[in-house]
Amino acid sequence: GNSVTQMEGPVTLSEEAFLTINCTYTATGYPSLFWYVQYPGEGLQLLLKATKADDKGSNKGFEATYRKETTSFHLEKGSVQVSDSAVYFCALTNGGATNKLIFGTGTLLAVQP
Amino acid sequence: GAGVSQSPSNKVTEKGKDVELRCDPISGHTALYWYRQSLGQGLEFLIYFQGNSAPDKSGLPSDRFSAERTGGSVSTLTIQRTQQEDSAVYLCASSPRLALAKNIQYFGAGTRLSVL
Repeated sequence: GNSVTQMEGPVTLSEEAFLTINCTYTATGYPSLFWYVQYPGEGLQLLLKATKADDKGSNKGFEATYRKETTSFHLEKGSVQVSDSAVYFCALTNGGATNKLIFGTGTLLAVQP
Repeated sequence: GAGVSQSPSNKVTEKGKDVELRCDPISGHTALYWYRQSLGQGLEFLIYFQGNSAPDKSGLPSDRFSAERTGGSVSTLTIQRTQQEDSAVYLCASSPRLALAKNIQYFGAGTRLSVL
């Protein structure tokens, strides 16, 4: 079946450090891939997405590239800020009638000043 | 414009009681999803509504869980005879028609359910 695996947290970084959160997936066919972010006390928000191989999603300085050969969608940011502290979820949808999201377990990022 | 609205934001109940959780999707969104976020299970799909089609209930964990969507808009998730393992954050999401939405779902802030 379809599944998403992302790195365990928490990830603790100093401001302006480089961020990588690993995400790999298992899916049949050609899933769409997403990163959602959950800031403290708020709901899930779409951060970025990619719908086909080699697509790069980007938003707010974050990037992730859809790598079909490695079944990965790692999240990166060159210089994190304290305001980036949140829980990050990697997810996929695999079409079909429902188009439900299948999530990874989430990675807590804590950025210290 | 208004986003997905969920109520209540927090609910504390006693084991064995029934609870109802409400979701108001974004106006005009035909697809509505319920997910559950719990410590042991992460974020998991519960149920999906699309227009007037029969809902996809494949994610509901037991027959104590049910959901309705009246008039293609507001949805209510009902949990009967609550158990402690039902404690979680229940998230609702809505989406416009798939062909236009490119798979984006918009989430509410969730209802935190605590079963004592």
